[in-house]
Amino acid sequence: GAGVSQSPSNKVTEKGKDVELRCDPISGHTALYWYRQSLGQGLEFLIYFQGNSAPDKSGLPSDRFSAERTGGSVSTLTIQRTQQEDSAVYLCASSSQGSTEAFFGQGTRLTVV
Amino acid sequence: AQSVSQHNHHVILSEAASLELGCNYSYGGTVNLFWYVQYPGQHLQLLLKYFSGDPLVKGIKGFEAEFIKSKFSFNLRKPSVQWSDTAEYFCAVNAGGTSYGKLTFGQGTILTVHP
Repeated sequence: GAGVSQSPSNKVTEKGKDVELRCDPISGHTALYWYRQSLGQGLEFLIYFQGNSAPDKSGLPSDRFSAERTGGSVSTLTIQRTQQEDSAVYLCASSSQGSTEAFFGQGTRLTVV
Repeated sequence: AQSVSQHNHHVILSEAASLELGCNYSYGGTVNLFWYVQYPGQHLQLLLKYFSGDPLVKGIKGFEAEFIKSKFSFNLRKPSVQWSDTAEYFCAVNAGGTSYGKLTFGQGTILTVHP
């Protein structure tokens, strides 16, 4: 597609449930990033993919968070046993090989009630 | 670890006023510097970037930023703001020498421009 696409745009879930967030990067972009934007914490890096590998997952806040990428394209971020503090906007970005310029999607607003 | 500090949380200006948003970072090595903008209801967009060379960089929509290495600063400027510049602005740093774009962001500055 022309830009980074994320779905759903909004997700409300009950505490304790699992959620999956999806990111479809710009076609041909080999690098993919997940960030989290929350009140009081700003924008935080979660994980970086190069192809299907995740050489940097240093920002994942706990083992409830995981992510995968398949076919060098679509990525899913999974949050298990959601907590209220997981409420945030989850942003995905992608960039081309060797570039540090990232293009962002619209984000998924997650609300845990 | 890198950190980025933006001096102002909320700036309110009238149209045609000049703008300067402060950004300081802490990282001892080479850095790549960015300013992103998020207009209401839209995704983050790149305003401008600095990798090397001329420390005064020009971006879209009349914005510019100056990298001052000795001050670890990368302030964003615009001589005359417009109502359409109302948005949230984020300064970000990437450690130079890395081959990927992991960014450390500042907390953001909300700019409100009154017509």
